[in-house]
Amino acid sequence: GQNIDQPTEMTATEGAIVQINCTYQTSGFNGLFWYQQHAGEAPTFLSYNVLDGLEEKGRFSSFLSRSKGYSYLLLKELQMKDSASYLCAVSGTYKYIFGTGTRLKVLA
Amino acid sequence: DAGITQSPRHKVTETGTPVTLRCHQTENHRYMYWYRQDPGHGLRLIHYSYGVKDTDKGEVSDGYSVSRSKTEDFLLTLESATSSQTSVYFCATLQTLIPGQGGEKLFFGSGTQLSVL
Repeated sequence: GQNIDQPTEMTATEGAIVQINCTYQTSGFNGLFWYQQHAGEAPTFLSYNVLDGLEEKGRFSSFLSRSKGYSYLLLKELQMKDSASYLCAVSGTYKYIFGTGTRLKVLA
Repeated sequence: DAGITQSPRHKVTETGTPVTLRCHQTENHRYMYWYRQDPGHGLRLIHYSYGVKDTDKGEVSDGYSVSRSKTEDFLLTLESATSSQTSVYFCATLQTLIPGQGGEKLFFGSGTQLSVL
């Protein structure tokens, strides 16, 4: 079977650092993706990990451990506009399966 | 990014009526996907297509059919809509992550809000 778990909600303060975890069990693995989705909008691509390790892209970084079935998204210097849902997704053979998403609230 | 147009953007229909949602892309991408998004369930794959007339089922395909007669169009049909199909429907295409370096990502359309009364 396939299962992707991430926390439902998180709250953090503007300027802080937050880490959103994702664990997965899938029958095939070609890569792990993170998407951001603001309320009422479409998901937009944030990051992609195919090998173990950390990928950094500005204020956002994503980490992958394939042996542990684990990833995290790290957001630094949080801004109010980072309030959104963050979706973890795993790609198999051209099938992309999503977790239920983590709703992040950034407080002033 | 790929240009994706979903139509209609909003639709209200009655239980038992047929409904067709359209996804149109302008970038000649081979792979296209239909997802539905519901609170507590996240994005769930309904069907996807890997070429003209080539489609496969996703996690929640019951009650849905798809067709792809042209590369640019991927249609999702609810043969007899039910209230449980009230949802936001997203179409997506698979596009190159970094041109020349391989890797791919999903790019989503703006979504269709469907309400079945």
